[in-house]
Amino acid sequence: GQQLNQSPQSMFIQEGEDVSMNCTSSSIFNTWLWYKQEPGEGPVLLIALYKAGELTSNGRLTAQFGITRKDSFLNISASIPSDVGIYFCAARFGNEKLTFGTGTRLTIIP
Amino acid sequence: EAGVAQSPRYKIIEKRQSVAFWCNPISGHATLYWYQQILGQGPKLLIQFQNNGVVDDSQLPKDRFSAERLKGVDSTLKIQPAKLEDSAVYLCASSAGQARNTIYFGEGSWLTVV
Repeated sequence: GQQLNQSPQSMFIQEGEDVSMNCTSSSIFNTWLWYKQEPGEGPVLLIALYKAGELTSNGRLTAQFGITRKDSFLNISASIPSDVGIYFCAARFGNEKLTFGTGTRLTIIP
Repeated sequence: EAGVAQSPRYKIIEKRQSVAFWCNPISGHATLYWYQQILGQGPKLLIQFQNNGVVDDSQLPKDRFSAERLKGVDSTLKIQPAKLEDSAVYLCASSAGQARNTIYFGEGSWLTVV
């Protein structure tokens, strides 16, 4: 089946630092999504991307849909304590099912 | 607007027992999903309903898992008999349609099989 390779698996950063994570695949997708999941909660949608090359921001978060349609990137600027959680990329082609990455666990060191 | 409701939140059962999870989607959402999330992994789709019809159940282990959405609103997911490897969070989600419509997740039902 389709697989999304997400990296890094985990990140330990200091408050105020910028964060970058990415997701790659051998398959082409036409929708890329980024979710955040906090302990004991379901995933919450952060950013949705629908066009190759698209760059979209949501506050301090910026995500890009790769030109090749096989990858996507998420950046968080000036991290704060509430950014802690697991970030998942997800992608689909047309009406096919949504495939999730394995997640990037973000920990902020005081 | 009320979110996706799930119950129970937590369940511990012995292997070979049965368990059922219930989901009530966001009002008016035609599409309902059940995902399985094993610890340390991303959610994996088990089954997708469009109204009361099944759209995709290709990853549902049909020998032990079943799901229904009889009236096109709420849904139940059943596991019988449970195995140790079924320990996971079962996430229900809904969306207004498919493709670009946002998928909203519930808080999940945490299952531990001992």
